[in-house]
Amino acid sequence: SQQGEEDPQALSIQEGENATMNCSYKTSINNLQWYRQNSGRGLVHLILIRSNEREKHSGRLRVTLDTSKKSSSLLITASRAADTASYFCATGIRGSTLGRLYFGRGTQLTVWP
Amino acid sequence: GAVVSQHPSRVICKSGTSVKIECRSLDFQATTMFWYRQFPKQSLMLMATSNEGSKATYEQGVEKDKFLINHASLTLSTLTVTSAHPEDSSFYICSASWEAGGYTFGSGTRLTVV
Repeated sequence: SQQGEEDPQALSIQEGENATMNCSYKTSINNLQWYRQNSGRGLVHLILIRSNEREKHSGRLRVTLDTSKKSSSLLITASRAADTASYFCATGIRGSTLGRLYFGRGTQLTVWP
Repeated sequence: GAVVSQHPSRVICKSGTSVKIECRSLDFQATTMFWYRQFPKQSLMLMATSNEGSKATYEQGVEKDKFLINHASLTLSTLTVTSAHPEDSSFYICSASWEAGGYTFGSGTRLTVV
């Protein structure tokens, strides 16, 4: 499978703490994206990092990409209860149809007030 | 920004009936659309890729006769679950891409077959 694998599968933290989620993948990519999904809802695009980038920031989000290790991490700083959701990484595979994404299994983040 | 409208958001149908899910790009022309399926607490699995005016390409293990995909225009793709059974109950999400290289997701359809 070309899907990414996130770890941990579940993460439970207190408000104000930082949350770190990791994603590993198997093949060469054009880009890696992180999405958020609230229970039973659609996907919200958080951030996209291209294969030639190593780090990206967006508000409280920080994403890193290490193509040599085929891994990425998503850091949410100063977490809030509203951050509770499932987070998925998705890879755009090099040579694949543009827009075709391979999703990881996701990390369920719970932030306690 | 690019918006994809997906309808219905929820549908309950009886076993043996067919259900059609629509995915419509509102302010752009979607050259390619993708259909994903998600079981509870699991990842999104790509079912098929559809290009306007041509047959959809199905992923391995996806029954093309059961999941009919039609992409008749640059703004509309439909997924029809034929002769639905309880095991087809799932969350279905579409996404659409456009020439500039971006893509966006619909809000998903929760299908329950009783």
